[in-house]
Amino acid sequence: EAGVAQSPRYKIIEKRQSVAFWCNPISGHATLYWYQQILGQGPKLLIQFQNNGVVDDSQLPKDRFSAERLKGVDSTLKIQPAKLEDSAVYLCASSSVGQTYNEQFFGPGTRLTVL
Amino acid sequence: AQSVTQLDSQVPVFEEAPVELRCNYSSSVSVYLFWYVQYPNQGLQLLLKYLSGSTLVKGINGFEAEFNKSQTSFHLRKPSVHISDTAEYFCAVRTYSSASKIIFGSGTRLSIRP
Repeated sequence: EAGVAQSPRYKIIEKRQSVAFWCNPISGHATLYWYQQILGQGPKLLIQFQNNGVVDDSQLPKDRFSAERLKGVDSTLKIQPAKLEDSAVYLCASSSVGQTYNEQFFGPGTRLTVL
Repeated sequence: AQSVTQLDSQVPVFEEAPVELRCNYSSSVSVYLFWYVQYPNQGLQLLLKYLSGSTLVKGINGFEAEFNKSQTSFHLRKPSVHISDTAEYFCAVRTYSSASKIIFGSGTRLSIRP
């Protein structure tokens, strides 16, 4: 079974530029998550989708961050314009639904450096 | 709201020595507890989880953790570590609600010395 795929793995941009990350979840997983992991900290949930609907985006900085999952499968996360403090690893995860606990499976992440 | 505290940001140990990584949590409701491992340049992998039942939980790679409700702790242990255990370890908590999010601690970097 293929895992969660993310691209690119690394991205370097200058502040005020735009950037987009892509995630393809495990086949059949209805729930998709985007996390931000700043160096020295644990991952923080930015947005959670179930199919193509948003379940939780309470910690997404909506003035500059946006995410979509149009067909309920893969997803893109965009930052426009980027700030220095956006330098982090962006992790995508997916899980199935319907059980008391549904394990989240993580992709390898995209390391963003904003100069 | 829930929170997780990992008091040790770094833990150096010698190979084949035992190790304990500490985790304390705060929550007004019952929670699920997790330990994740992150190897360099990789995503997170679930080591073990406590959902209910026995307070001693065994995970992959020889790790185990014990849930202590009175001390609100979920410490991770391994009796004998290997070089391959070098990684960052994250404790995490989630409430029983299926829609609740996972709250991660700040991580403990385990470095193994030969």
